[in-house]
Amino acid sequence: GQQLNQSPQSMFIQEGEDVSMNCTSSSIFNTWLWYKQDPGEGPVLLIALYKAGELTSNGRLTAQFGITRKDSFLNISASIPSDVGIYFCAGQLPAGNNRKLIWGLGTSLAVNP
Amino acid sequence: GAGVSQSPSNKVTEKGKDVELRCDPISGHTALYWYRQRLGQGLEFLIYFQGNSAPDKSGLPSDRFSAERTGESVSTLTIQRTQQEDSAVYLCASSTPGQGGYGYTFGSGTRLTVV
Repeated sequence: GQQLNQSPQSMFIQEGEDVSMNCTSSSIFNTWLWYKQDPGEGPVLLIALYKAGELTSNGRLTAQFGITRKDSFLNISASIPSDVGIYFCAGQLPAGNNRKLIWGLGTSLAVNP
Repeated sequence: GAGVSQSPSNKVTEKGKDVELRCDPISGHTALYWYRQRLGQGLEFLIYFQGNSAPDKSGLPSDRFSAERTGESVSTLTIQRTQQEDSAVYLCASSTPGQGGYGYTFGSGTRLTVV
């Protein structure tokens, strides 16, 4: 099935560093979502983006909906150990009432205290 | 309940046996989704229920997979004659349009291991 290109696949950083990850697609999306998944849990929504160019923050997290509607990035500032986990982007195609999301393969983040 | 509840949390089954996975969505959420997540992979859409509409089954990988939902409540995902490649975490999510559009609330998943 269709998937988003999410990068990097994994990151290992020092506590306090900033983190940036992104997703790209060959298709236009009308919604971008960023989720975090902790081990043994389901993904939890971090930020939702609905308009091209939209820049949204949630605490130390900032995400943007690309102008072309084909990409999005997520930044985490001043990382802390609890930021460890897998971050997924997901997008929705502008096709009728279809609410199926297209998912990236995830970015695994490890933080060294 | 306060969140999406899935049971069992872990299931080990022998190849060829049938399994049934259960999902209790958040009360009032009209939409319910099943996803499969293989180890180290992203989420693979399986099936989507919305109210009383016909479900979108386009993600079911084979006719061994089926799912039911009673009204806007509990859903069960059934896998018949399980195969080793069915081993994965099966995630359920529910949502409502009032939830900021399309953000889901996920359950913790059922980890299925076929031996």
